[in-house]
Amino acid sequence: AQKVTQAQTEISVVEKEDVTLDCVYETRDTTYYLFWYKQPPSGELVFLIRRNSFDEQNEISGRYSWNFQKSTSSFNFTITASQVVDSAVYFCALSENYGGSQGNLIFGKGTKLSVKP
Amino acid sequence: EAGVVQSPRYKIIEKKQPVAFWCNPISGHNTLYWYRQNLGQGPELLIRYENEEAVDDSQLPKDRFSAERLKGVDSTLKIQPAELGDSAVYLCASSSGRRSYNEQFFGPGTRLTVL
Repeated sequence: AQKVTQAQTEISVVEKEDVTLDCVYETRDTTYYLFWYKQPPSGELVFLIRRNSFDEQNEISGRYSWNFQKSTSSFNFTITASQVVDSAVYFCALSENYGGSQGNLIFGKGTKLSVKP
Repeated sequence: EAGVVQSPRYKIIEKKQPVAFWCNPISGHNTLYWYRQNLGQGPELLIRYENEEAVDDSQLPKDRFSAERLKGVDSTLKIQPAELGDSAVYLCASSSGRRSYNEQFFGPGTRLTVL
């Protein structure tokens, strides 16, 4: 079964702290894509990153970094030196790769991050 | 470039009333998705369109929900009659293709409250 688990429901940190959001997935596909989206209070999901299953290189974009480990089916997201503007709900998602459901996103339940000044 | 547009942003209705949501995708995006997001949950797919064809509606509760995408551009999602459990945020998204690597662009959603 295709499934995404974000075990952390809520995380609260103080500004400038580093924080890691966990994502574990299950899939029967050998080729798949993983995504992270940010949902600020305005409600619109904002795309952050896409990673395919054959690329296990970690990625860094400014204060954001992602650690993809196929062996543990994890795709974790770290924010370095967090800021108040990072406060949002973050979703990890898996894209189905075969059949009629190709392209459909399966989302985790999200992790609500609160960054306090 | 304009993003995905949805209206209304908020809707409050009494149970058993009908309601409709409208979505205008990003220009040129052939694939359109409707998701429902319950409080504290991630979005769940209701229906996916490729142009004007509904290619995946397996999760759409067809007894009360219907959708259309005339001319392969704008789309409308309807609920008739609404039930208390339909209270949620309804999100529309679009992408340039249906491949698993295609990024989906989301609208701000319509928050529905059924009293």
